Amino acid sequence: TQTVSQSDAHVTVFEGDSVELRCNYSYGGSIYLSWYIQHHGHGLQFLLKYYSGNPVVQGVNGFEAEFSKSDSSFHLRKASVHWSDSAVYFCAVSWNSNNRIFFGDGTQLVVKP
Amino acid sequence: DTTVKQNPRYKLARVGKPVNLICSQTMNHDTMYWYQKKPNQAPKLLLFYYDKILNREADTFEKFQSSRPNNSFCSLYIGSAGLEYSAMYLCASSPRGPNERLFFGHGTKLSVL
Repeated sequence: TQTVSQSDAHVTVFEGDSVELRCNYSYGGSIYLSWYIQHHGHGLQFLLKYYSGNPVVQGVNGFEAEFSKSDSSFHLRKASVHWSDSAVYFCAVSWNSNNRIFFGDGTQLVVKP
Repeated sequence: DTTVKQNPRYKLARVGKPVNLICSQTMNHDTMYWYQKKPNQAPKLLLFYYDKILNREADTFEKFQSSRPNNSFCSLYIGSAGLEYSAMYLCASSPRGPNERLFFGHGTKLSVL
């Protein structure tokens, strides 16, 4: 069974803190990883993706994520969060380039002033 | 215009009645997806079209139908709505290639009474 796991349902930090949102997946074949953000009342928006090459990928608004084959992980990080980063973050995985894209349950990030 | 449009934004349906949800995109994307999203759960892949070829997930094969009469338009059809169909339905599109990002609409919130 192919699974995507986001172990933290909620994460609360203060503005200016660093944050890491975790994503683990079941490993199998070639893999395509991405992160999406959903602000309240809005649709999901793409943040960044990884397929091959440098395991650290940069996204919009200072987000980055690191692929680890040994840990089957693709954690999302930001060095200094802003209150506007408060949103739900979804990790997404596709295996074997088959167009089927599966999502994790999401992590609700709350950034306090 | 990099938007995916979904109509209606909210839909009320009666148990046992059919439901038809509509999605359109003007980006000439080859692939269009439908996901079902319930609160605090991952978006669940229902089906997708790659060009004119429909791919339905095995566990929802019997419950959902879809049509794509042209490249821009895709519908999701429920023949007989049940209470368990109450959810947000997300449409997304993606350009050619298995590793491209998804562009999401705002979703249609379906309430079945």
